[in-house]
Amino acid sequence: DGGITQSPKYLFRKEGQNVTLSCEQNLNHDAMYWYRQDPGQGLRLIYYSQIVNDFQKGDIAEGYSVSREKKESFPLTVTSAQKNPTAFYLCASISGTAGSQPQHFGDGTRLSIL
Amino acid sequence: AQTVTQSQPEMSVQEAETVTLSCTYDTSESDYYLFWYKQPPSRQMILVIRQEAYKQQNATENRFSVNFQKAAKSFSLKISDSQLGDAAMYFCAYGRETSGSRLTFGEGTQLTVNP
Repeated sequence: DGGITQSPKYLFRKEGQNVTLSCEQNLNHDAMYWYRQDPGQGLRLIYYSQIVNDFQKGDIAEGYSVSREKKESFPLTVTSAQKNPTAFYLCASISGTAGSQPQHFGDGTRLSIL
Repeated sequence: AQTVTQSQPEMSVQEAETVTLSCTYDTSESDYYLFWYKQPPSRQMILVIRQEAYKQQNATENRFSVNFQKAAKSFSLKISDSQLGDAAMYFCAYGRETSGSRLTFGEGTQLTVNP
């Protein structure tokens, strides 16, 4: 079955450490997105990529970095510059860039500070 | 920048009854798309329904329907014959193709279904 796989499900970060969240899709989707969800709040866009080797900052990109070397992969690195990284992170993708297409979501990664 | 507002942090409904969740948004654009997503305790994001702004007809998916008022920038979700499985956080979202189809989400409405 096609879908979006996020790993790991749970991740712990030590002070000063960079951690990378994985997002892989086998839907042959062009565009991919990273969102952050804080408790009791909606999703906020961190970064998105519409094609390989290209990506754009979202609303809360500071302290995060991404790469898009392959169409199916869009990893997110939470750097030590992100002072409040504890949150639920969701990866999404759509076919093409048509706004009418619904975004498909992965199951998420919960990141906590040790 | 576009904003999406859900003014009801929590709502409750009796099983088999009807409930309406509110959503308003702010945009100066005429061409956009609106979505309702459901997030159950499993934290999965599940598409409930979508609406193209250029369509006057309100979208319907089985027990779920919307009341789209473009001039008022309002996009409410009606759930008929509520079921226990409808209990979840519901998010309203706005997107535009020319903005990379990125979505702007509201803060969500927690729906409780009472047996």
